[in-house]
Amino acid sequence: EIVLTQSPGTLSLSPGERATLSCRASQSVKNNYLAWYQQKPGQAPRLLIYGASSRATGIPDRFSGSGSGTDFTLTISRLEPEDFAVYYCQQYGISPRTFGQGTKVEIK
Amino acid sequence: QVQLVQSGAEVKKPGASVKVSCKASGYTFIDSYMYWLRQAPGQGLEWVGWINLNSGDTKYAQKFQGRVTVTRDTSITTAYMELSSLISDDTAVYYCARRLSGCDLDFWGQGTLVTVSS
Repeated sequence: EIVLTQSPGTLSLSPGERATLSCRASQSVKNNYLAWYQQKPGQAPRLLIYGASSRATGIPDRFSGSGSGTDFTLTISRLEPEDFAVYYCQQYGISPRTFGQGTKVEIK
Repeated sequence: QVQLVQSGAEVKKPGASVKVSCKASGYTFIDSYMYWLRQAPGQGLEWVGWINLNSGDTKYAQKFQGRVTVTRDTSITTAYMELSSLISDDTAVYYCARRLSGCDLDFWGQGTLVTVSS
């Protein structure tokens, strides 16, 4: 199965700053079927990005996804207070779909 | 609006089975797949299985093969996940999530906490 490694484990930033999250796959993700999810404590995950770079319905344009093959990035251009959460990448190109271990974006 | 509403928390003894339901509304039920995932306390996300809500075809993660059964009742737009032979490591929040063609898991249920304890 494809192993996804996210970095950094924790990102300490201030509101208004730019966040760059990385997700590296152990092998090429078929069709760039890579998604990003946001999860807040006690809540279900929320789809942000699918197909590596397509924003899900209702997701603000400060969230953007990029990358292909084995290296993918989620960028939050200017952090809003509600963006402090855990972010997971997930590949769904090859079964079984697998998740990264998560990156926590915390307030500095 | 699309909603997935799951059944309530469960406490089970080791060796027992649990069945979690996921009631869908606000869209055409059979136009999607329903996925089941879980998240152990303080841990990441893990895929359990899925069902094609139109055909009833299923696929399960190898880890759960033989222990998990996912079904659906189209007349009441509800999907189910049953996990048997429970062990303490099965303690987790179980989620259902919808997948439409061309997208990924865009709507999730609120989660169901399953606690396995003697």
